[in-house]
Amino acid sequence: DIQMTQSPSSLSASVGDRVTITCRASHSIRDHLNWYQWKLGAGPKLLIHAANNLQSGVPSRFSGSGSGTDFTLSISSLQPEDFATYYCQQSYTTPYTFGQGTKLDIK
Amino acid sequence: QVQLQESGPGLVKPSETLSLTCTVSGDSISRYHWSWIRQAAGKGLEWIGRIYTSGTAHYNPSLSSRVSMSVDTSKNQLSLKLRSVTAADTAIYYCARYYDSVESNWLDPWGQGAQVTVS
Repeated sequence: DIQMTQSPSSLSASVGDRVTITCRASHSIRDHLNWYQWKLGAGPKLLIHAANNLQSGVPSRFSGSGSGTDFTLSISSLQPEDFATYYCQQSYTTPYTFGQGTKLDIK
Repeated sequence: QVQLQESGPGLVKPSETLSLTCTVSGDSISRYHWSWIRQAAGKGLEWIGRIYTSGTAHYNPSLSSRVSMSVDTSKNQLSLKLRSVTAADTAIYYCARYYDSVESNWLDPWGQGAQVTVS
């Protein structure tokens, strides 16, 4: 299985900050990398697909980049509703696998 | 827009079969492919498998000997069965639409999840 490693595992930031989350794959996955936002009591929400494609309806402050084994999710100016847990997922080969998550909370 | 809702028993005894249903609204289930994913408390997300419109299913090898998925087009529902459960199968179970394009594939949208406890 392809292992996905996110860093950091937790992050404290303030409204208005710019934050970056990193995801590394154990093997090249080309650009088959998705990002999700998860809040307690709800299912994960797709933010970015295929490494850098913003899902329809997702604010433009979210962006993704990378290819091969190294990827990043950036939020340009944190809003109160952005405090959540973020997961990366490789969709290159089955079994699809997820990172362990990055919990973003308010400083 | 497509919406998904998981349902089923919240408590299952060890060695028995976990059965969950996902009701799809807003569109025909036969137009899309589907996946199940689970999340154990304090752990990450685990992909269980996917089922295509053809009915062909692919499972995570870690669960393939115990899991099955199916689609009921007459009810616009998909189902998940996991046999011989143990406490390790205690998790929130999600269904999601598996969107497969030329460029890649992704899971969107997801249901809100169903908590299943094995005890």
